[in-house]
Amino acid sequence: EAGVTQFPSHSVIEKGQTVTLRCDPISGHDNLYWYRRVMGKEIKFLLHFVKESKQDESGMPNNRFLAERTGGTYSTLKVQPAELEDSGVYFCASSQDWAQGKAFFGQGTRLTVV
Amino acid sequence: GDSVTQMEGPVTLSEEAFLTINCTYTATGYPSLFWYVQYPGEGLQLLLKATKADDKGSNKGFEATYRKETTSFHLEKGSVQVSDSAVYFCALSEFGSARQLTFGSGTQLTVLP
Repeated sequence: EAGVTQFPSHSVIEKGQTVTLRCDPISGHDNLYWYRRVMGKEIKFLLHFVKESKQDESGMPNNRFLAERTGGTYSTLKVQPAELEDSGVYFCASSQDWAQGKAFFGQGTRLTVV
Repeated sequence: GDSVTQMEGPVTLSEEAFLTINCTYTATGYPSLFWYVQYPGEGLQLLLKATKADDKGSNKGFEATYRKETTSFHLEKGSVQVSDSAVYFCALSEFGSARQLTFGSGTQLTVLP
């Protein structure tokens, strides 16, 4: 069974540019989460989808970040325009039943804004 | 709000040494507690969990006990191996909360042969 897949694995962009990260969850997992780890600090929750609906987006830092999950399958996270402080590792995770607390994480996308 | 404080790394041990990584938490409710591990080049994996006070989670020789009185969930292993080298994250999730996991800052463990 394929795990959670994230694309790209690395991205280097200039300040002001746009970047789109993609996450393919495990097939059949209704719950999809985005997290990020900035500058070696804590991994912070960004948002949670249940199928195509945003269940909780309280962790989104500002309106430069836009997450979508059309059709309830893969998800994208767009940063527009990117700022230096957006650099970090963006993790995606999915789970079938959140009550069990077992979320499967992808390898992450390392974003560097220069 | 909720928070998790982990012992700062990096931690370097010799093979077969005893490992302890301290973790304490602050939460308003009754959280579930987790340890996640990230091996080089891989995503985070759930290592073990405990859902209520005095529960002990265990996996791959690692153990952690949910101590409500000290708000702690320290990770221990009696004899580490080189293959245990990874970053370890302590995390919590409030029961019923939609806000999902709150992570600590991670502890880098390196085990030398």
